[in-house]
Amino acid sequence: QSALTQPAAVSGSPGQSITISCTGTSSDVGGYNYVSWYQQHPGKAPKVMIYDVSNRPSGVSNRFSGSKSGNTASLTISGLQAEDEADYYCSSYTSSSTLVFGGGTKLTVL
Amino acid sequence: QITLKESGPTLVKPTQTLTLTCTFSGFSLSTSGVGVGWIRQPPGKALEWLALIYWDDDKRYSPSLKSRLTITKDTSKNQVVLTMTNMDPVDTATYYCAHTVTMVRGVITFDYWGQGTLVTVSS
Repeated sequence: QSALTQPAAVSGSPGQSITISCTGTSSDVGGYNYVSWYQQHPGKAPKVMIYDVSNRPSGVSNRFSGSKSGNTASLTISGLQAEDEADYYCSSYTSSSTLVFGGGTKLTVL
Repeated sequence: QITLKESGPTLVKPTQTLTLTCTFSGFSLSTSGVGVGWIRQPPGKALEWLALIYWDDDKRYSPSLKSRLTITKDTSKNQVVLTMTNMDPVDTATYYCAHTVTMVRGVITFDYWGQGTLVTVSS
């Protein structure tokens, strides 16, 4: 299984909205509604922000939202804040009943 | 409160076998739906899922590393152990263990993570 494809970097100014894409295949992202998104600050463990494509765990800001169309899932962060600057990773269930991560996206808040 | 902590060697030599232990608290690995997985991250690179073990001893492995990995659990000690054979410098990474709970086998969202442990492979 190949890693899911994410843009290496995205940026935005405070208050703006940004979207990070995560592209897979019909054997993972496109075939199931089991995409998660993780936020990772430097030197820290990842934190789940979205699960099952669009569900937010308790305590995660509603500025974070997820969606999916075909083989591509997306994470949108609205009202960008300085604290959102981090690396973001998507993950997906696969047809082999295993897990695959994306290559990661570095978000810079300008 | 769920916590997990990884332990093991910080340095291993090429061709050696790595053994990592995840010691957890705040949940039981005998509870239906619960699993513990391992994920690694080479310095400056992306996350890579390695393996997962469920409450009923069902085990899942990354297809690309399956031949080198073994995951086991000791429910009485609240521990999960990962072994990786034939270590190579490219296996240098921070290794994390993490908790998941699922109603659908194989659907994995890690909601609690350990702090990670850096393992360097070098002679």
